[in-house]
This record gives sequence, structure tokens and C-alpha cells, in this order.
Amino acid sequence: DADVTQTPRNRITKTGKRIMLECSQTKGHDRMYWYRQDPGLGLRLIYYSFDVKDINKGEISDGYSVSRQAQAKFSLSLESAIPNQTALYFCATSDAPRETQYFGPGTRLLVL
Amino acid sequence: DQQVKQNSPSLSVQEGRISILNCDYTNSMFDYFLWYKKYPAEGPTFLISISSIKDKNEDGRFTVFLNKSAKHLSLHIVPSQPGDSAVYFCAASARSGGSQGNLIFGKGTKLSVKP
Repeated sequence: DADVTQTPRNRITKTGKRIMLECSQTKGHDRMYWYRQDPGLGLRLIYYSFDVKDINKGEISDGYSVSRQAQAKFSLSLESAIPNQTALYFCATSDAPRETQYFGPGTRLLVL
Repeated sequence: DQQVKQNSPSLSVQEGRISILNCDYTNSMFDYFLWYKKYPAEGPTFLISISSIKDKNEDGRFTVFLNKSAKHLSLHIVPSQPGDSAVYFCAASARSGGSQGNLIFGKGTKLSVKP
């Protein structure tokens, strides 16, 4: 079984809809991250969490919110989706600062 | 303002030859650097890393070189294999400066290794 899983893997939604992307990990890591990848722009950090009670904004948090339900679960929400949020979304985990991050397989989101 | 730059969007090499992927950075606080590899429909996977106290780190066919004075690092793959065809991301982090050790990624370089 994969250590970091993301659901759904693909999602098509309409402008204005609320959508939640979910991430689960079995690695036992405290740190979890949400990234967005756009063509030609690399990976950009949306939110990160160092433990259940610690949530931090990343480089591009506007229009997104997160919930850390447990050590193993970190969800990303788009409260009112817009077309420029069409992208690949990745969840990642790490054991400590500056340690290797382990990525999930990604969610491909299309906002019409 | 990009702190980590990969100026070559793509690179094509022949199987068996050397692949050299380059990365430049602007933040002098960065002291830890990583390379990730990404295949289509998969998440990035860690490849190799280097601390700023070193100028070279080697792992099998993969070697990363760090030139701190030039703020430049490179990934060498020798010999290149068709299975190395992927997008390679350079990433950097700083021990201090408010980034809390988070990774800053470059835009990636797509490597194609032709048989």
C-alpha cells in the first residue's frame, strides 16, 4: 500500500463549487504539506502543518483552506472554486524540518 | 522573484551519455539542496541531496555538485538510461530566515533519454 494517498485522483468541478481534496499517510510523520503544480511553474506551497494544532500558510494560500483532522490526515478545501485553480495538487509528508518529503500521487483538478 | 531557477525547461540526451541538469539559487541562506524526479501521473520522488558543507554527493549513477560561490548546483546522471526520462525538480531550504525549513522548488527540467 502507498504511504501517502490522495483522493480523489481526478476531479472536474464547476466555478463556485466547494471541493475538498483529502490526504492520508501511514508514515507516522508529523509534518504535512499541500502543493500545487502548474505547467512551467514548478511546485508551490499552499499550506503546511507541523502537527494537528499547527497550521501555516504557504506561498499561495489565498482561496484555499485546510484541516488537519489527525496526524495522518490533512485536507485541502477550495471554498468557491475558480478556473485558475485548475492544477495538479500534491500532498507531502516529512519527519522533520529539512528532511526528505514524501509525495502522494497527486489530484488533477479541472474547474470549468 | 524566483529563488530557485532551472533555466532549461527541457534536455534531450542519448542513452549511455551524461545528462547534466542545472540549478541556480539566489538566497544565500539556503544550505540544503535536493533533487526530485517526477514521472507522469505520479508524485515527485526524492533522488539525492547535498548539504552546503559539501561540494559533491554521489549515489550510484547520480552525482550532485554544489558551487556555493556561484550559487549553482548540478545533477549529473552517468550513464543515462531511457528510464531516467522524467521531470527533475531542484529544491532548496534554509535553516533560518523564517522559512521553517520548507522547500523552495524550481520549475523543473524535462529530461528525455533517447535509446
